[in-house]
This record gives sequence, C-alpha cells and structure tokens, in this order.
Amino acid sequence: DAGVIQSPRHEVTEMGQEVTLRCKPISGHDYLFWYRQTMMRGLELLIYFNNNVPIDDSGMPEDRFSAKMPNASFSTLKIQPSEPRDSAVYFCASSLNGGTQYFGPGTRLLVL
Amino acid sequence: GESVGLHLPTLSVQEGDNSIINCAYSNSASDYFIWYKQESGKGPQFIIDIRSNMDKRQGQRVTVLLNKTVKHLSLQIAATQPGDSAVYFCAERVGNQFYFGTGTSLTVIP
Repeated sequence: DAGVIQSPRHEVTEMGQEVTLRCKPISGHDYLFWYRQTMMRGLELLIYFNNNVPIDDSGMPEDRFSAKMPNASFSTLKIQPSEPRDSAVYFCASSLNGGTQYFGPGTRLLVL
Repeated sequence: GESVGLHLPTLSVQEGDNSIINCAYSNSASDYFIWYKQESGKGPQFIIDIRSNMDKRQGQRVTVLLNKTVKHLSLQIAATQPGDSAVYFCAERVGNQFYFGTGTSLTVIP
C-alpha cells in the first residue's frame, strides 16, 4: 500500500497567488482529513470528509480556503488568494470507519 | 530575538533507558486514543492505540496506559534508541473527530 499521497511536497508562492494542494487517500478509506501544522498553533483540523461529503469545515480559517473531494480517491485544498500567514505544513490523512488516521508526508507551503 | 510559538515539553533520555511520555485529555466521552510519532520533516506516524474499555496495551517496545479516572494517557518506550527521537502526540477521539495534543519532544542521547 502506498499510503496517503500528497503533492506537491513543497510549494513556494507569492502573496495573492492561488495555491492548490492535492491528496490521494489510502484506497478503501472513507474518511479524509485536512490539517495544518505551524509552530504557533500545532496541528489543527481544517476540514474532514466522509464518503466524499464535507462533514465539518469549522476549522477552515476563512473564505480564502476551500476544499473539495470529487471522488473517493482525490481531494484538493485551495487557498485563493494566499497570504504569508498561510505558510505552514498541510497534512492530509485518511481513515476507515473513523478509526486510526494515517497521515501523508505533508506539503510545506511558503507564501512570500 | 525571542522565538514565539508552542513550547513543547521536552524529554531527554540516555540510549537504552526507558522513556515515559505523558498526556492529559479533557473529554470523558473520548472512546479511543492514539499515540503518533512525528520525525522532523515527516507526517505523524501511528504507533499504538487503545480503546477506552482497556487500561493497558502493549506493542513492540511500546506500552500505552490509560487512566480514565484522571484522564491520563502515557506512552512507555522500552530500551529507547536514537531512532526514537521525535515529537510524540496523543490524540483522543470524540465521535468522529480526533483532537491532538501539542506533543512532547523526545531526544535520545547516544
């Protein structure tokens, strides 16, 4: 099993640009989670999906953030427009039936 | 200047000694707990889990203890090795949501 796959692994962009992060969950998993990790705030849940449907997006910072899951094997997290304070490591995780979450390697985002 | 951010609890142990990492949780409705290990530049990695109807679970070199009376979880690592150096997070599940602690940084001294 390849585990959770995220791309890109690193992203450097300028303030105001659109950023799209991608995630492929473990095959067969029905839950998908997006997290953000910073030194200031630690690991924060942004949004999670169950069977491709967003269940709780209360952690999404503001309207500049959006997430989609068009099918069971793909999800995106988009930031538009990006700001320097969005700089963080973004993790995607997946689980089966709400059990143990398996994390991807993360996308390290730097907004200049 | 002074750095600002989370001040992770830190633990330094000699190689070969046992390590104990502690975690306090807040919700009595939590039914499932996980310990994760995060090495620098990597995502959190599952180590061991325990359900709320248990008080102890053992894995390979690791043991998790759960004390529901005081809402306390601990991770014991036997014969700590340099490769165990990482940040360790506990996570509690309430309903379908997991809540993560801030983590403890473990450093193993060769």
